[in-house]
Amino acid sequence: KAGVTQTPRYLIKTRGQQVTLSCSPISGHRSVSWYQQTPGQGLQFLFEYFSETQRNKGNFPGRFSGRQFSNSRSEMNVSTLELGDSALYLCASSLDSVNTEAFFGQGTRLTVV
Amino acid sequence: QQQVKQSPQSLIVQKGGIPIINCAYENTAFDYFPWYQQFPGKGPALLIAIRPDVSEKKEGRFTISFNKSAKQFSLHIMDSQPGDSATYFCAASRAAALIFGKGTTLSVSS
Repeated sequence: KAGVTQTPRYLIKTRGQQVTLSCSPISGHRSVSWYQQTPGQGLQFLFEYFSETQRNKGNFPGRFSGRQFSNSRSEMNVSTLELGDSALYLCASSLDSVNTEAFFGQGTRLTVV
Repeated sequence: QQQVKQSPQSLIVQKGGIPIINCAYENTAFDYFPWYQQFPGKGPALLIAIRPDVSEKKEGRFTISFNKSAKQFSLHIMDSQPGDSATYFCAASRAAALIFGKGTTLSVSS
């Protein structure tokens, strides 16, 4: 059974640009969550999607957005990139939206220069 | 406001030792408590998880102890091996949003 797949693995962007990251969950999983990991702040919850609807949202500015498609694949977008957005962005998939096991992908390493 | 506090920040044990990592939470609405292991360059991998109606859970060499009244839980790694050297995160959740501790870097020396 394939795991959670995130693409691309690495990205370098310039301040002010926007970026889109992609996540394919484990087959059959309908919930996809996104997290930001930095050395200073650790792992922080961005948002969670279930059946194409955002169900939960963390404390991040509106520049961070996401969506989920009918096949459960998800994308997250960051607009007007700032240097502080440099981080490892992780996607996790779960069967459903209520406290089931969450499995993480390897992440996308975003560097903003 | 940090809702999940994890300690220690780093831990060094000898092979065969039993490292213990502790976490405390504040929000009594949390109802799912997983532990994750992360190696450099990899995403976190789910190790073991517990719900608050259980005081202890064992899976292989990993044990979670849970104290609901104290709002604390801990991870014990029995017979630790050099391959267990990694960063460990506790987390707490309600409704699919995982709130993570800051992590513990474990080094197991041979």
